[in-house]
Amino acid sequence: ELKVEQNPLFLSMQEGKNYTIYCNYSTTSDRLYWYRQDPGKSLESLFVLLSNGAVKQEGRLMASLDTKARLSTLHITAAVHDLSATYFCAVDPGTYKYIFGTGTRLKVLA
Amino acid sequence: DTEVTQTPKHLVMGMTNKKSLKCEQHMGHRAMYWYKQKAKKPPELMFVYSYEKLSINESVPSRFSPECPNSSLLNLHLHALQPEDSALYLCASSQDARGNYGYTFGSGTRLTVV
Repeated sequence: ELKVEQNPLFLSMQEGKNYTIYCNYSTTSDRLYWYRQDPGKSLESLFVLLSNGAVKQEGRLMASLDTKARLSTLHITAAVHDLSATYFCAVDPGTYKYIFGTGTRLKVLA
Repeated sequence: DTEVTQTPKHLVMGMTNKKSLKCEQHMGHRAMYWYKQKAKKPPELMFVYSYEKLSINESVPSRFSPECPNSSLLNLHLHALQPEDSALYLCASSQDARGNYGYTFGSGTRLTVV
């Protein structure tokens, strides 16, 4: 059974600091997705990573994928309060369906 | 139009009621999905429709019945639900079932079963 684990599960950080969220998965997959969810809201697509070594950046967020290590990272640079949300990674192991990670609840303190 | 529209946004229903959730997209996407999300948990896949045909049913109880009348519309019919079925129900769509461009999610229907 595919497992997708994120760490940390909870992250409280000061504005202006850098941090990385990790997403580990247990089976082969060449594609990984990152989503953001605000409380009570839907999921917003952040990044689509479709190959080993893929790196994408948008604003203060940068995502990367290492399919050999079965690891993706979401790096936050100089955090701001507006980044407070829950971040999910999701993996498609070729079965035409996402398996979501456990989620990381991020709180950025002013 | 780059949105997935879900109605209603909130629904309260009794355990003997029959209700339906509706999802609509006009992006030409050929795959549509229903997810269930409990509070503080990740979304869990329920159903996948690809080219208007049901391709994946994640062993969902028969009190949930999906329907895809056309390529733009996805319904979820609810009957004899239990209180533990209370959750946020999310619809999503993608260009194809392979999800090469990711999914677009709707804003969800918050369902409460009393």
